[in-house]
Amino acid sequence: DIQMTQSPSSLSASVGDRVTITCRASQGISNSLAWYQQKPGKAPKLLLYAASRLESGVPSRFSGSGSGTDYTLTISSLQPEDFATYYCQQYYSTPPMYTFGQGTKLEIK
Amino acid sequence: QVQLVESGGGVVQPGGSLRLSCAASGFTFSSYGMHWVRQAPGKGLEWVAFIRYDGSNKYYADSVKGRFTISRDNSKNTLYLQMNSLRAEDTAVYYCAKERGTYCGGDCSSDYWGQGTLVTVSS
Repeated sequence: DIQMTQSPSSLSASVGDRVTITCRASQGISNSLAWYQQKPGKAPKLLLYAASRLESGVPSRFSGSGSGTDYTLTISSLQPEDFATYYCQQYYSTPPMYTFGQGTKLEIK
Repeated sequence: QVQLVESGGGVVQPGGSLRLSCAASGFTFSSYGMHWVRQAPGKGLEWVAFIRYDGSNKYYADSVKGRFTISRDNSKNTLYLQMNSLRAEDTAVYYCAKERGTYCGGDCSSDYWGQGTLVTVSS
């Protein structure tokens, strides 16, 4: 099974900061990676898919990059509504299996 | 607009059974694979099961294999999760989620999620 290791597990930042979250797969996943945002009591929301493609309606301050086993989510200038938990997820496995990272809780400094 | 509405959660004793439903609307249900994903209280997301758009193939996490069964009724636009032999560690909010692309077969992200239904396994 493909394991996903996300770092950091928590992060404190201020409005306007640039923030980067990293996700590492236990084997290459050919950009089959998504990033989700989840707020307390709500369902996850898709932000990016195929590692770097922005989902419709998601602000352009969110971006993704990476290849092979290492991927990053960057928020260029934090807004108050961005404080949430972020998860990466791989969908490369055959047979189909979703594997999520353990999450990164982004908190206000 | 796309809507996914889960139902069927509740409190059940260890060893018991429960069937969750996910009613879909706003898209051609029969063209998309569907997932169940769960989240234990205060924990992260865990994939549970996937079913192809036509129900031809089903896949499960090791933690639920042999106890849970995913199914769908494309005539009713509804996804199901039959959960048997429930354990305390199955306590979680269960979400259904739609594949982002048509006929992906599991190699797509999920663009729409339901609001979740809480399953509590406790004596």
